[in-house]
Amino acid sequence: DTAVSQTPKYLVTQMGNDKSIKCEQNLGHDTMYWYKQDSKKFLKIMFSYNNKELIINETVPNRFSPKSPDKAHLNLHINSLELGDSAVYFCASSPPKLAANNEQFFGPGTRLTVL
Amino acid sequence: AQKITQTQPGMFVQEKEAVTLDCTYDTSDPSYGLFWYKQPSSGEMIFLIYQGSYDQQNATEGRYSLNFQKARKSANLVISASQLGDSAMYFCAMRGTNTGNQFYFGTGTSLTVIP
Repeated sequence: DTAVSQTPKYLVTQMGNDKSIKCEQNLGHDTMYWYKQDSKKFLKIMFSYNNKELIINETVPNRFSPKSPDKAHLNLHINSLELGDSAVYFCASSPPKLAANNEQFFGPGTRLTVL
Repeated sequence: AQKITQTQPGMFVQEKEAVTLDCTYDTSDPSYGLFWYKQPSSGEMIFLIYQGSYDQQNATEGRYSLNFQKARKSANLVISASQLGDSAMYFCAMRGTNTGNQFYFGTGTSLTVIP
């Protein structure tokens, strides 16, 4: 069973389009995250939700909007896609409190290419 | 402010040799956790090892060990008996009790194992 799943795995689209990436976790975690990994492999936190509530909202364009219908899902919607949005987007989840082995579990990533 | 620093953008190691990947951190949290992740060329993020700030012993997981020096604020990853499959990006990350659910990642080290 996949712990954190993302769809789609690959997304190729034209500039100006709107697209969504879906994320689901079956680990029972309260906290979910979205990261962007650029071509230099730098991981940048975008958003974090705890039990459907937004708790981290880093400086990202407001074209990016996360939505958490329940604590097992955190979707990312991107409006008016730009070339600079091309990256790998990772969803992750973790238990809310720091404890031994409370690591983040990552999804497989979604490679977004904007043409 | 929380910060993770990985000063080695790239490292090479001969197969079967040991290698140390450096990680230093800065935090004001009294309690925190340190994590290492591996990202092979296939792209997934794989959790390797965890060290709690109050753990008395350095963490070990198979061929991975964490050389934790709290006074120096360093958490270096040691990989023993390197294998070709160890070639990957390695990320150090930290999570503090006072910074809620946020994980802070370093910029990564690209490890290449030479046959």
